[in-house]
Amino acid sequence: DAKTTQPPSMDCAEGRAANLPCNHSTISGNEYVYWYRQIHSQGPQYIIHGLKNNETNEMASLIITEDRKSSTLILPHATLRDTAVYYCIVKLYGANSKLTFGKGITLSVRP
Amino acid sequence: GAVVSQHPSWVICKSGTSVKIECRSLDFQATTMFWYRQFPKQSLMLMATSNEGSKATYEQGVEKDKFLINHASLTLSTLTVTSAHPEDSSFYICSAPDRVNTEAFFGQGTRLTVV
Repeated sequence: DAKTTQPPSMDCAEGRAANLPCNHSTISGNEYVYWYRQIHSQGPQYIIHGLKNNETNEMASLIITEDRKSSTLILPHATLRDTAVYYCIVKLYGANSKLTFGKGITLSVRP
Repeated sequence: GAVVSQHPSWVICKSGTSVKIECRSLDFQATTMFWYRQFPKQSLMLMATSNEGSKATYEQGVEKDKFLINHASLTLSTLTVTSAHPEDSSFYICSAPDRVNTEAFFGQGTRLTVV
């Protein structure tokens, strides 16, 4: 079973920041938080991951609370192409560690 | 980022026939690959872990004799759906983790329709 909970859906206006929340209250000390997204009928795409520090890359920022029980993915300037299902996943670090997908959150970016 | 290529992108087959899906890591080597299945409006469900040079590890409830996995090289894993039936119609997706960066890269998926 997925170890994360996410709201089923949210929307935001194009050009605005999209803040996607995720709860992972049972995360263990050696588990990382990963975010992937899946655009309709495509394979998932890696976005970002982190352990406890906030992370930023060219796609998004990841804010992890100090107790690590929740996190927020931030898309700073959402575009229509960011409409997708976003999955928050906790897993052990390492290439062979499995990704277990929950239901994700459907982000709809409106014009 | 690294590229994982899946082939074919879609396939239609008759009930009772077998279908092979290929998953290739194009610019990196992958000792492990993962196979997922996704039904409409549902999330990805892990089917099995493909290990180069050894037997695949199947998730509970997945029939290993029906979903044959072969990981013959460090860049290729294949999933064969044997004796396919309409209930096997689904979106099959593979992924391979980059050993350097550890994030998983996914193929574009294969839409299987069994008629």
